[in-house]
Amino acid sequence: KQEVTQIPAALSVPEGENLVLNCSFTDSAIYNLQWFRQDPGKGLTSLLLIQSSQREQTSGRLNASLDKSSGRSTLYIAASQPGDSATYLCAAGAGGTSYGKLTFGQGTILTVHP
Amino acid sequence: EPEVTQTPSHQVTQMGQEVILRCVPISNHLYFYWYRQILGQKVEFLVSFYNNEISEKSEIFDDQFSVERPDGSNFTLKIRSTKLEDSAMYFCASKGGLARNYEQYFGPGTRLTVT
Repeated sequence: KQEVTQIPAALSVPEGENLVLNCSFTDSAIYNLQWFRQDPGKGLTSLLLIQSSQREQTSGRLNASLDKSSGRSTLYIAASQPGDSATYLCAAGAGGTSYGKLTFGQGTILTVHP
Repeated sequence: EPEVTQTPSHQVTQMGQEVILRCVPISNHLYFYWYRQILGQKVEFLVSFYNNEISEKSEIFDDQFSVERPDGSNFTLKIRSTKLEDSAMYFCASKGGLARNYEQYFGPGTRLTVT
């Protein structure tokens, strides 16, 4: 059974800092990995998807990497802004007969202060 | 930009009552999902649905739960007899294909409160 863990649970940084959020998963046979942002009381906004055959994916100030063999993914946020404050979730996607089921980590709560 | 919508945004019900949560997935998507998030806990998979049938369900998705696609646009989750522990945020998601490059898109959620 897939288990996903995110470290740290919470992170507080000053504006402008570069930061790294970590995600680990126990079953390396993932199909893909998706990073989401969740604002308090709101839905999940997809940030990046990395396919199992890829090593990294970039969107603006965000860069996500994937190392399947070690069961790890990182989300790098460059030049953080107060608007980046949110909970960041990673989710491992299952393939084959699982029809794309996502298994989520518990999230990293990010606070960027001015 | 196409988006997944969910109604209602908040539903309050009494224990033992039936509730139906509604979702309109993105129009050309083929794969549909329900997840839930109990306050302070992880988002958990409930069920996936394709070609008008359940393709996978979790241990949480017992006989009290059912899903349906009653027409070409809506996707519903029914809880037959709600319990206090069903209180959670319920998210609907959809995606266009099963290949590795397809993202799941989530709706804004329905907050279900069982009293």
